[in-house]
Amino acid sequence: QVQLVQSGAEVKKPGASVTVSCKASGYIFTDYTLHWVRQAPGQGPEWMAWINAGNGYTKSLPKFEGRVTITMDTSATTAYMDLSSLTYQDTAVYYCAREGYNSAHDYWGQGTLVTVSS
Amino acid sequence: DIQVTQSPSSLSASVGDRVTITCRASQDLTRSLAWYQQKPGKAPKLLVSGASDLESGVPSRFSGSGSGTEYTLTISSLQPEDFATYYCQQYHYDWKFGQGTKVEIE
Repeated sequence: QVQLVQSGAEVKKPGASVTVSCKASGYIFTDYTLHWVRQAPGQGPEWMAWINAGNGYTKSLPKFEGRVTITMDTSATTAYMDLSSLTYQDTAVYYCAREGYNSAHDYWGQGTLVTVSS
Repeated sequence: DIQVTQSPSSLSASVGDRVTITCRASQDLTRSLAWYQQKPGKAPKLLVSGASDLESGVPSRFSGSGSGTEYTLTISSLQPEDFATYYCQQYHYDWKFGQGTKVEIE
């Protein structure tokens, strides 16, 4: 069965960077695109970026350009999201999600809480 | 930038009620619209994609409809496990979620 397993919770200081990983299993990793979505406390989800696991192409929401880096290790079937220059407003649960055949997000990771605190 | 407006933001209903949630977009989405259910502390769960295609394993009391700029999620007979927050998502250009509708017990 398809599974996306993310790395554990992180606490970071303002100005620092964080890396969240997403280990995929149960499907052919390079056949799908993986997305990153975040959800601030009490807010709705916000799409951030994607990586095409077949060719490595990436795209991010303009507000995150220059701060977010999406990479992958196909041999480890794992995607990574790096977010730099963290502010308190980056405190959120970060999810990876697989893009299904019609572009909706059909499978999700369990989420990783990133807390930015001094 | 496509704007997505979901309504209502919350509603109270009883078990057995018919519930309707609406999502309006600032431009034609060509049915590139999905609905998700989210329970506290959990990731969103895909219910409907392509405006009306029910995901495998989702109960048939859930249905999606609509076209152009207006879309609807209907729960025909609300069950106790359906109390949750529901989000629409457009994927016609990039991906954007609605603000959510919290369905609470009346």
